[in-house]
Amino acid sequence: DSGVTQTPKHLITATGQRVTLRCSPRSGDLSVYWYQQSLDQGLQFLIQYYNGEERAKGNILERFSAQQFPDLHSELNLSSLELGDSALYFCASSGGGRGGYTFGSGTRLTVV
Amino acid sequence: GQQLNQSPQSMFIQEGEDVSMNCTSSSIFNTWLWYKQEPGEGPVLLIALYKAGELTSNGRLTAQFGITRKDSFLNISASIPSDVGIYFCAGQGEFGNMLTFGGGTRLMVKP
Repeated sequence: DSGVTQTPKHLITATGQRVTLRCSPRSGDLSVYWYQQSLDQGLQFLIQYYNGEERAKGNILERFSAQQFPDLHSELNLSSLELGDSALYFCASSGGGRGGYTFGSGTRLTVV
Repeated sequence: GQQLNQSPQSMFIQEGEDVSMNCTSSSIFNTWLWYKQEPGEGPVLLIALYKAGELTSNGRLTAQFGITRKDSFLNISASIPSDVGIYFCAGQGEFGNMLTFGGGTRLMVKP
């Protein structure tokens, strides 16, 4: 257990629908990062939050949005889903400074 | 923006062989990290390097932070089937703590 909790682990939904992915960071970590990993691809950075504020944005579609709540958990909202949105979505957290991120085990989204 | 070129993209080796992969960057990093991702799981940190020239080992894994601060390599000695996975390098720059990830090296080990 990495300390970063992602729910749900699997999600199957239809095109056009909206889903919410949830992440609880490791205790004490203020930063949360969201990544998308399509089949056999690398990690595509979507967005970062730090202590409730958006800190950095990557290749995040306009149909996607995220927020970080006062208790530091974060949600990634994906709307008007398309088949191409099927992917693994990872959340990672960090405490800032030097050192790496701690990743959750991901949510596998399948859009049918 | 910063980019990391990781090579090779994939490797298919025989059990017992040594493995070497590397990352190069157009920019300087202050920290280099190596992660392993097993199927269906999130990446897990293997080794962190904080100083140019640093050589660090973790069991059969050895990683080095290049002298120019623009590259790093990871070696795995005497590979075993459980080494299978995707290995990612990541660099951390001077300002803030954003990581830049390489494209990954997919390692397959034949028993």
